[in-house]
Amino acid sequence: DQQVKQNSPSLSVQEGRISILNCDYTNSMFDYFLWYKKYPAEGPTFLISISSIKDKNEDGRFTVFLNKSAKHLSLHIVPSQPGDSAVYFCAASAHRSGNTGKLIFGQGTTLQVKP
Amino acid sequence: SQTIHQWPATLVQPVGSPLSLECTVEGTSNPNLYWYRQAAGRGLQLLFYSVGIGQISSEVPQNLSASRPQDRQFILSSKKLLLSDSGFYLCALRAQANTEAFFGQGTRLTVV
Repeated sequence: DQQVKQNSPSLSVQEGRISILNCDYTNSMFDYFLWYKKYPAEGPTFLISISSIKDKNEDGRFTVFLNKSAKHLSLHIVPSQPGDSAVYFCAASAHRSGNTGKLIFGQGTTLQVKP
Repeated sequence: SQTIHQWPATLVQPVGSPLSLECTVEGTSNPNLYWYRQAAGRGLQLLFYSVGIGQISSEVPQNLSASRPQDRQFILSSKKLLLSDSGFYLCALRAQANTEAFFGQGTRLTVV
């Protein structure tokens, strides 16, 4: 049961344009969402997060949007830079009663930013 | 600041041999600790997580096990490795609910 899904395995954009990475989830108990960036043979590094009480969070070039009714979140990178080329993972967790905060990841989307 | 130490970076083991991967953390007390595996071309699969000493939750039935003998120590083990155990193993910590998780640098395990 894949509770967090990234349906696009890869995305290619031109430098300077916007990159939009998408993520869907099925568990309505999820209340905290995160995006990570990962290079080969390294651990993922945290990018940005959003709580379910918000619908947008912005940090520099990165913005995460949350649509709870659609159980969908997206990461926007503007402007995209070649150094942004990596695998991006979305993750979700739930902390309400009965949940212990396990962190579930999607399958990842490989972003390539072309110069 | 929170730090995760994970070793070794790479490991080649024969089928049927035992495994012990250790993860130690610094800079926080009573964190949630996680073991993930990334198989070739796949996403991050949650294997085990722990909310405290001796408390282990298993997410995927398999021949791996985990233990947390100390607050800041998380160990992934196997008595007999299978070829399918090959992958990139990552330890992670989360200090509090609704915060980001920090990852170690990972161990590349190849079972031959």
